[in-house]
Amino acid sequence: NAGVTQTPKFQVLKTGQSMTLQCAQDMNHNSMYWYRQDPGMGLRLIYYSASEGTTDKGEVPNGYNVSRLNKREFSLRLESAAPSQTSVYFCASSAGTGGDQPQHFGDGTRLSIL
Amino acid sequence: GENVEQHPSTLSVQEGDSAVIKCTYSDSASNYFPWYKQELGKRPQLIIDIRSNVGEKKDQRIAVTLNKTAKHFSLHITETQPEDSAVYFCAAISMGGGADGLTFGKGTHLIIQP
Repeated sequence: NAGVTQTPKFQVLKTGQSMTLQCAQDMNHNSMYWYRQDPGMGLRLIYYSASEGTTDKGEVPNGYNVSRLNKREFSLRLESAAPSQTSVYFCASSAGTGGDQPQHFGDGTRLSIL
Repeated sequence: GENVEQHPSTLSVQEGDSAVIKCTYSDSASNYFPWYKQELGKRPQLIIDIRSNVGEKKDQRIAVTLNKTAKHFSLHITETQPEDSAVYFCAAISMGGGADGLTFGKGTHLIIQP
């Protein structure tokens, strides 16, 4: 039982490059989330998906796009990476669709933009 | 939207003593309050949560209290041990209809002194 799996674990990009962060969960959860974590800032929600086929913006969506490919997978795309997007990115999932269930996090993707 | 304030940012206690971390929230409609523990370089992990219809919840050495009137909630760790050293995050969510994710506090770095 892997829980929430994120790939890659580390990535270095040049400014202007694009990439997609992958996330998959095997807990049959309805809701999935993308957060970024910066030093001293806690975790901030980028996008979320309450169910397959739906996505919504969180607190800091600018510069990102997401796709809920199916119930298991939720990807985050940076179309044109900027140094301000250097961060640790966490994917999470939870049962239900109301957000008031425990969230299970992946191990994170450490992304550096040069 | 919701705003969560967390204090202190750093807390150092002697092993065996108690630690208390406090959070306030702004949205009176918030009704789910989880606490996450994050060790260095690891994923956040849920340690305890409380819902707005309960004033206190306890799990072994960990307890959470909620004061809805004052809009604050606290994490209490008794008989602290070295393995309690980590960053702790409080969070809150409003059941506004839809999994709009959690709003996190900025974290408390708990240091257990031997």
